[in-house]
Amino acid sequence: SQTIHQWPATLVQPVGSPLSLECTVEGTSNPNLYWYRQAAGRGLQLLFYSVGIGQISSEVPQNLSASRPQDRQFILSSKKLLLSDSGFYLCAWSERRDTEAFFGQGTRLTVV
Amino acid sequence: AQKITQTQPGMFVQEKEAVTLDCTYDTSDQSYGLFWYKQPSSGEMIFLIYQGSYDEQNATEGRYSLNFQKARKSANLVISASQLGDSAMYFCAMREPGYSSASKIIFGSGTRLSIRP
Repeated sequence: SQTIHQWPATLVQPVGSPLSLECTVEGTSNPNLYWYRQAAGRGLQLLFYSVGIGQISSEVPQNLSASRPQDRQFILSSKKLLLSDSGFYLCAWSERRDTEAFFGQGTRLTVV
Repeated sequence: AQKITQTQPGMFVQEKEAVTLDCTYDTSDQSYGLFWYKQPSSGEMIFLIYQGSYDEQNATEGRYSLNFQKARKSANLVISASQLGDSAMYFCAMREPGYSSASKIIFGSGTRLSIRP
């Protein structure tokens, strides 16, 4: 069966520090991968999605970036965090057809 | 551009009653998929139900059913016989056309459902 791992679960980082959140999927090949951000009490904002290694589509211009160095690995990064980067970050995957997405457990990021 | 609208920020329902959560969408494409997710206080996103735009019958999954009205572009979630464990945020979502391998999934703003004992 397929599983998705996302870590860390919580993170407190100072303003201006770098960020690296990692997400890996097991049990499937060539998945679509997604990064979402959720502000407190709000909906999910799509940040990046990827259909293959090195293929990243950005939805929202910001100081975040994403990379997909391996087929089932998706990394969200920042060189310098801003206070506004605080939120709940969710990684998700889906098959390459019209099906639902499955989510990781999320990372709660607080920038102080 | 595709858009999902959930007009009910919060709802209170008595236990064992049925509840309908509203969702409307906007797309000019003929092929798309609609989803509902549940997010309890733990933060995890739980997939509930899926409806394809070409599906003629409304999707059902246990106590969940999706009232799909294509002409009105609505995809309301119906929960029958609500339980205390149904208290959570509920999100409606839509996937872009299935012919594109680079399809993205967008979400509405959510509805917070609270079940009263």
